[in-house]
Formats: sequence, C-alpha cells, structure tokens
Amino acid sequence: QKEVEQNSGPLSVPEGAIASLNCTYSDRGSQSFFWYRQYSGKSPELIMFIYSNGDKEDGRFTAQLNKASQYVSLLIRDSQPSDSATYLCAVLTSGTYKYIFGTGTRLKVLA
Amino acid sequence: DAGITQSPRHKVTETGTPVTLRCHQTENHRYMYWYRQDPGHGLRLIHYSYGVKDTDKGEVSDGYSVSRSKTEDFLLTLESATSSQTSVYFCAISDSAGGPDEQFFGPGTRLTVL
Repeated sequence: QKEVEQNSGPLSVPEGAIASLNCTYSDRGSQSFFWYRQYSGKSPELIMFIYSNGDKEDGRFTAQLNKASQYVSLLIRDSQPSDSATYLCAVLTSGTYKYIFGTGTRLKVLA
Repeated sequence: DAGITQSPRHKVTETGTPVTLRCHQTENHRYMYWYRQDPGHGLRLIHYSYGVKDTDKGEVSDGYSVSRSKTEDFLLTLESATSSQTSVYFCAISDSAGGPDEQFFGPGTRLTVL
C-alpha cells in the first residue's frame, strides 16, 4: 500500500515567522510531488509542484525534495493569517495515473 | 480558475437510492478523477479516467461506478447509497504532454445519505 504521511497538526506559528510543513512518501519510484492549500469548506488549490531534488522557490513558498530520504517539505516565509489553512501533500505514483494524498497539516498563523 | 463544475453541489438522499454526481470540464483535459474527503482520511481516490471510455479503480472504489462517454463529462454513480458514503466528493482534472500533472479541483459536492 503506497502511502503519504503528514503530521495533522495544528501547527501554530506567529505572523511573520517561517512555517515548515513536512511530508514523507513510501513509493520510491515517484517522480512528481505537489502541495495544495485547502481552506475550510473549499476545494484544494495548487501551490507548488516539484520534480527534482533540491529547492524550488515561488514567492513566499519554497518546496524542498529529497528523493533519497523520500521527503518533501513546504516552507512558507513571512507567514500571514491568510495562510491559515490545511496543506495537502500529494504524490503521483510511479507507473500510474494515480495520486496519493496525505491527510493534510492544519496551519494556524497567529496575528 | 480551471473550468470545472460539479452538480449537484449539495444532495441529501436516503439509504438504498441511486445517486449520480456529475463533473463537467471545459479544459479538454484527458485525465479526470473522483475523490472523497472525510475527516481523518484526507482525499481518497475513488475512480479515475485516462480518456473517453477508459477508467480504472482507485483505493476506495467499492460501491461506486463511473462513466465517461465524452471528454468533458465524468459521472460518478452510487448504485445503492449507504450512510458510509456520506462525504464531500471532489472532481479533479489534469493534463500535460507527458501524462497527468498538477490537478485542478472542482468546487465539490456535499452528499448526505440518511
């Protein structure tokens, strides 16, 4: 059974701080990794995707991938109260068209 | 926003009745997915489609069937609804030259089975 694991949280950080969200996955052959943000009662929206080892930056967001450790992370710099949401990690499993999602980490940014 | 709509947006039904949820896209994407989302379980894949009339099962497919007769529509049917199928259902689409890529989600359908 291929799995994606996330700490459910809540992760509380003060406004302006860096929020660090982590995800591990079991399918060593996976090549594509995604972070989604989901506000309560809304549908998930894509924040970042990453395919290669290392860091990928987009504005206040940085995705980090370490395939050897089967680890993906999302850093949010200068966290804002509007970043308070659940963050979902998703993996496109190798050799399939299927995505596996983690259960999500709830982030609370305190003003 | 990606052109994805779901209908109905809310539905209350009784145990044993058939239910069909519709996902409609205007993006001409090849891949379409149905997920359910429940507290503590995250998003779980029910069925997906990789082309017209091409579908396959996900991790929680029991009790569900799907059909895709044209690119823009993907239907999810609960043949005989049970209370355990009370959930929020999301449709998603994806496409790229090399296969599925980032997914875009519809607004969701909240289904309650009494």
